[in-house]
Amino acid sequence: DQQVKQNSPSLSVQEGRISILNCDYTNSMFDYFLWYKKYPAEGPTFLISISSIKDKNEDGRFTVFLNKSAKHLSLHIVPSQPGDSAVYFCAAIFQGGSEKLVFGKGTKLTVNP
Amino acid sequence: KAGVTQTPRYLIKTRGQQVTLSCSPISGHRSVSWYQQTPGQGLQFLFEYFSETQRNKGNFPGRFSGRQFSNSRSEMNVSTLELGDSALYLCASSLGLATDTQYFGPGTRLTVL
Repeated sequence: DQQVKQNSPSLSVQEGRISILNCDYTNSMFDYFLWYKKYPAEGPTFLISISSIKDKNEDGRFTVFLNKSAKHLSLHIVPSQPGDSAVYFCAAIFQGGSEKLVFGKGTKLTVNP
Repeated sequence: KAGVTQTPRYLIKTRGQQVTLSCSPISGHRSVSWYQQTPGQGLQFLFEYFSETQRNKGNFPGRFSGRQFSNSRSEMNVSTLELGDSALYLCASSLGLATDTQYFGPGTRLTVL
């Protein structure tokens, strides 16, 4: 059973616009969430994280929003740049449990010039 | 500081063979996690080693095993290879706490013929 779901396999946006990547989770015990970015032929790189005690975390052009009641988080990229084109993975962890990251299947973002 | 390295980068094997993949973590990192990435399933957690002990394990058959050495380098072994084992195998290292950032290597692309 997929505990972390990224229902959009791909997303295409124009340069300068906002990119919104969504992620849903089913396990209410998850208390820490992360986004990773992956370019072809490279391993994923950490982008931004959020603890369940917050509902927003911002780092430059990247903002993650967490809606615990809806078990939903989203990553906003503003403004989007062609270099942001990559696969984005959402991940979650329950710190008091097995403490292993559970990843979504990823969303491929394409930012068109 | 050198990043996570994985060897080999590419590997072609036939069904029934076994394979050993290697991962050298970032200096000072004591945790090494292994993931399997396939197009249909995203990143799936295999296992994590911390201070030479397996700390967490995913839902993979016993054909998948690993170990960690005193210098934190880790190896993953897959025996009796199946076609479905064709995937990108990623390792990630971290300091060891659940919320510590995981740094990924570039992966080993395994093809089973």
